[in-house]
Amino acid sequence: EVQLVQSGAEVKKPGESLRISCKASGYRFTTYWIGWVRQMSGKGLEWMGIFYPGDSDIRYSPSFQGQVTISADRSITTAYLQWSSLKASDTAIYYCVRLDTSGYFFDYWGQGTLVTVSS
Amino acid sequence: QSVLTQPPSVSGAPGQRVTISCTGSSSNIGAGYDVSWYQQVPGTAPKLLIYGNNNRPSGVPDRVSGSRSGTSASLAITGLQAEDEADYYCQSYDSSLSGSRVFGGGTKLTVL
Repeated sequence: EVQLVQSGAEVKKPGESLRISCKASGYRFTTYWIGWVRQMSGKGLEWMGIFYPGDSDIRYSPSFQGQVTISADRSITTAYLQWSSLKASDTAIYYCVRLDTSGYFFDYWGQGTLVTVSS
Repeated sequence: QSVLTQPPSVSGAPGQRVTISCTGSSSNIGAGYDVSWYQQVPGTAPKLLIYGNNNRPSGVPDRVSGSRSGTSASLAITGLQAEDEADYYCQSYDSSLSGSRVFGGGTKLTVL
């Protein structure tokens, strides 16, 4: 059974750094793109970017390029989403997603990680 | 502004049929890229409902269907049930935005 299990909720101050994680299991980690989707409170879904663990290829949405870093550790089948300096506007729920083999749609979703950035 | 346009809300009585539209452009749906749909019940993660325009994952009832034509796509739900009340999002690929997967703004379905 495919599972994406994300790390727990975080409360941070503006300017702090943060890395959240997504532990994948139940499939061959290196042969599927894995990525992140943001949902701000009361708003829609926004695709942030994807990472291919097989060769470390990364694609970012133009809206998030330079704002976050997506990575993965193949040895522990875990993907990461990282910020070097959080802003209040980063407050949102972040979902880990797997792309199916076509690479065009998200067939599995994590449970979501709430990130709150407040002074 | 989302790349794909959906109506903010639709509603229907139990047992009725509702449709949700998703309008794109020549760089996404109109270019032939497949459309997927996701259902998000409030307080939970989105779930894949339709992929490849009109395919249902295992477990999705056959009263849910999808279609694509030109630069638009539609999601139809027949025999509306209370459990269908949720937010629905369409999603596709856009060739003008460097490998971007794009979402619609979402549609709130209310079962009256």
